Amino acid sequence: QVQLVQSGADVKRPGASVKVSCKASGYTFTNYGISWVRQAPGQGLEWMGWITPNNGNTNYAQKFQGRVTMTTDTSTSTAYMELRSLRSDDSAMYYCARDYGSGGSVDAFDIWGQGTMVTVSS
Amino acid sequence: DIQLTQSPSFLSASVGDRVTITCRASQGISSFLAWYQQKPGKAPKLLIYAASTLQSGVPSSFSGSGSGTEFTLTISSLQPEDFATYYCQQLNSYPYTFGQGTKLEIK
Repeated sequence: QVQLVQSGADVKRPGASVKVSCKASGYTFTNYGISWVRQAPGQGLEWMGWITPNNGNTNYAQKFQGRVTMTTDTSTSTAYMELRSLRSDDSAMYYCARDYGSGGSVDAFDIWGQGTMVTVSS
Repeated sequence: DIQLTQSPSFLSASVGDRVTITCRASQGISSFLAWYQQKPGKAPKLLIYAASTLQSGVPSSFSGSGSGTEFTLTISSLQPEDFATYYCQQLNSYPYTFGQGTKLEIK
């Protein structure tokens, strides 16, 4: 079945970096974009950015520009999100999600990973 | 950035009730709006996209409407499994923003 499986929970010190993986299966990886969304404990959803696996094009939310890098490995159908210079307020559940749409537009995120909890603590 | 404001933020209702959640956009987004359901400890689940198209497998008790700046999600008859938090999302322009969420609780 179509699914996205993410890497496990991680604990980092302030100032460190974290890299979360998202392995796709059950569909052609290069046919759909991947977005990253985070959710701080008890808070709402925040879109971080997007990558298209077929050419590596990215679009990052301005809030994360300079601190985030999204990449893909098409040989393993895996997307990655690296966040640098971590702060305590980066502690959150990080989700990858598949972009769904037609005619060149994205209509929604139809498949989500199970989430990866990243805790930033000294 | 386009701001999405959901109302109400909290909603208490009973099984069998009809409920409506509103999502207002700070500027026009045509029909580029999606609705998600999230239960505690779980990833969001897509319910509706393009403002009114029901995602495959989602019960027909869910419906969406609207365009431009005002949108609604309606659940025609609440079931026990519908108690969750609901989010709207705009995909008209980057950054793709979400509403703050509406928590639907059992009365």
